[in-house]
Amino acid sequence: DAGVTQSPTHLIKTRGQHVTLRCSPISGHKSVSWYQQVLGQGPQFIFQYYEKEERGRGNFPDRFSARQFPNYSSELNVNALLLGDSALYLCASSSRQGGSYEQYFGPGTRLTVT
Amino acid sequence: AQKVTQAQTEISVVEKEDVTLDCVYETRDTTYYLFWYKQPPSGELVFLIRRNSFDEQNEISGRYSWNFQKSTSSFNFTITASQVVDSAVYFCALSVRGNTGKLIFGQGTTLQVKP
Repeated sequence: DAGVTQSPTHLIKTRGQHVTLRCSPISGHKSVSWYQQVLGQGPQFIFQYYEKEERGRGNFPDRFSARQFPNYSSELNVNALLLGDSALYLCASSSRQGGSYEQYFGPGTRLTVT
Repeated sequence: AQKVTQAQTEISVVEKEDVTLDCVYETRDTTYYLFWYKQPPSGELVFLIRRNSFDEQNEISGRYSWNFQKSTSSFNFTITASQVVDSAVYFCALSVRGNTGKLIFGQGTTLQVKP
C-alpha cells in the first residue's frame, strides 16, 4: 500500500506570494494533520482535519489555512509568505482522530521563501 | 501545558556501541501517549513506537528497546549494537487524550554512528 504522499517536493517562492501544498493520506485513513519543521527543530502542529472538518489548530497566524476533500486528501495554503515560513511542511495521516492513534508522515514539502 | 525535552542535541558513537536517547515529558493529563520517530536525511518521519500512560512495561523490538518510567516522566530509547544505518535524528513526542491528534515534539537528538 502507498504511504502518505505530498506534492510538490520542493518549492521556491518570493515574499508576499501565496503557496498551496498538497497531501494524500494512506488509503483508508480519514485524519490528516499538518506540521511545520524549521531547520534544527522538532515539527510544530499546524492543523488537524478529520472527516473534512477542522478538529485542531496550532498557534499559527490566519495566513495559514487548510481544507480536506471528500477523498480525504488535503491542502495547506499559506498567504503573504514571509521569510520565516521557510521550512519543511509535513503531512501525517491516521486512521482516526485522537491522540492515541499513530500518525504516519509523508516525505514533506521543502518550502524556501526568498 | 505539555512539553517534551530531549536534552541531548547530538550523540556520536562507534558502530556496535549501545546508545540511549533521553526523553523527559511534562503533562497534567492522566491519559497520554508517547511516541518515538526516526528522521533519516531524506526527511520523512518514521514511526517507531507508541506507549500509553497506563502501560509502563518496557518494550524490546530487535535492537531497539524503550524504558517508560512515570515516576521520572521519562521515556528513554536504547539502541543496542548500533549500526551506521541508525544515523538519523530521533524525536520523542507526546499527545494527550482528546479530539485532536496533536503531537508535541521534542527538539530531537541527532545520532551519528561511525563505522
